[in-house]
Amino acid sequence: EDQVTQSPEALRLQEGESSSLNCSYTVSGLRGLFWYRQDPGKGPEFLFTLYSAGEEKEKERLKATLTKKESFLHITAPKPEDSATYLCAVQGISNGGNNRKLIWGLGTSLAVNP
Amino acid sequence: GAVVSQHPSWVICKSGTSVKIECRSLDFQATTMFWYRQFPKQSLMLMATSNEGSKATYEQGVEKDKFLINHASLTLSTLTVTSAHPEDSSFYICSARDTLQGLVSYEQYFGPGTRLTVT
Repeated sequence: EDQVTQSPEALRLQEGESSSLNCSYTVSGLRGLFWYRQDPGKGPEFLFTLYSAGEEKEKERLKATLTKKESFLHITAPKPEDSATYLCAVQGISNGGNNRKLIWGLGTSLAVNP
Repeated sequence: GAVVSQHPSWVICKSGTSVKIECRSLDFQATTMFWYRQFPKQSLMLMATSNEGSKATYEQGVEKDKFLINHASLTLSTLTVTSAHPEDSSFYICSARDTLQGLVSYEQYFGPGTRLTVT
């Protein structure tokens, strides 16, 4: 069964203190791994898609990496405005039919203190 | 690009009434849209997958007669909560896949969500 586990559940950082969020996955053939950011009371905002092990993508202070078992979201010198819940999801071959639904992790709640 | 809107952003209704939520893809066509429900401090729970021109596919445990989904065009899907009760109060979020981009990728783009409160 396809599964996504995110850790830690919550993370509190000081402004400028770099860290990483983890997304471990089990999927029968990975078609794509997705990172989203969600602010309270809003819909998730798309950040990155990773397709194959070794792939990396960057956007401002965020960098996402992918291995065959997990993905990391590295946050470099975070600012208070980076505070949000970060969600990870995967698309596997078994869910690659017309519906193509994603399997979601529970998220990591990040708080960055000024 | 890839903007999804939802209307209304919040709604309060009385128990027993029905509420319709609209989800629109503003700058792309979406053959497939998804409806999620989210409880406070919990992750997204997929309710159903909406396909343009065909019946929606509901997840196990979701009552299709209570949560009516219509995907009448390539840019609009609606979710109607029928005979709403207080336990239906939640945050409902839709997402859409770009039909053309979706040939090679699987991203979902989300709307801002609708807060439903049933009194």
